[in-house]
Amino acid sequence: DARVTQTPRDKVTEMGQEVTMRCQPILGHNTVFWYRQTMMQGLELLAYFRNRAPLDDSGMPKDRFSAEMPDATLATLKIQPSEPRDSAVYFCASGLGRTSGGGEQFFGPGTRLTVL
Amino acid sequence: AQTVTQSQPEMSVQEAETVTLSCTYDTSENNYYLFWYKQPPSRQMILVIRQEAYKQQNATENRFSVNFQKAAKSFSLKISDSQLGDTAMYFCAFGGGSEKLVFGKGMKLTVNP
Repeated sequence: DARVTQTPRDKVTEMGQEVTMRCQPILGHNTVFWYRQTMMQGLELLAYFRNRAPLDDSGMPKDRFSAEMPDATLATLKIQPSEPRDSAVYFCASGLGRTSGGGEQFFGPGTRLTVL
Repeated sequence: AQTVTQSQPEMSVQEAETVTLSCTYDTSENNYYLFWYKQPPSRQMILVIRQEAYKQQNATENRFSVNFQKAAKSFSLKISDSQLGDTAMYFCAFGGGSEKLVFGKGMKLTVNP
């Protein structure tokens, strides 16, 4: 049963600390997305990769957030330094894109980040 | 830019009843996909059903079916014989040519015993 995995499931950290979230997309998927979910803003797209190349990170605060795909099996989202307003659930999703699939995205279980 | 609107923030139904969740969207594209995702208290986002805009036939998945009205840009989800496990947030999403999904704000459904 193929699924997207994310680590850690929960993270509590102090303001100013670096946070790294990891995602393993479904094998064979060529698109990867990072979302942030809060009660106020709902689901926000932070970054999007196709074939490991970043295509859109316009939703991401560039001064503190960075997203990378070191290889096809790993995507990372880093926050440095973290702030209390970064507290949210962060989701990774993967898909086959429109060329190979129907555009649907499959989500990981999310990382709940709390910055004190 | 595409927008997705879920006008009902919350609904509750009794177990075994049928419930319809509404969604409207706005786009100038002609070839696109629409999705319903479910997010139970576990927070996992689960794909419930998808509809291709070029197909006139409404998609169905077991107890879940959609009423897709392309001209009206409406995409509602019908849940038949609702179960306690259907209690969740439900999100409507639009997928156009860019591969990104545009999500609605979500609707909280509670199924009562």
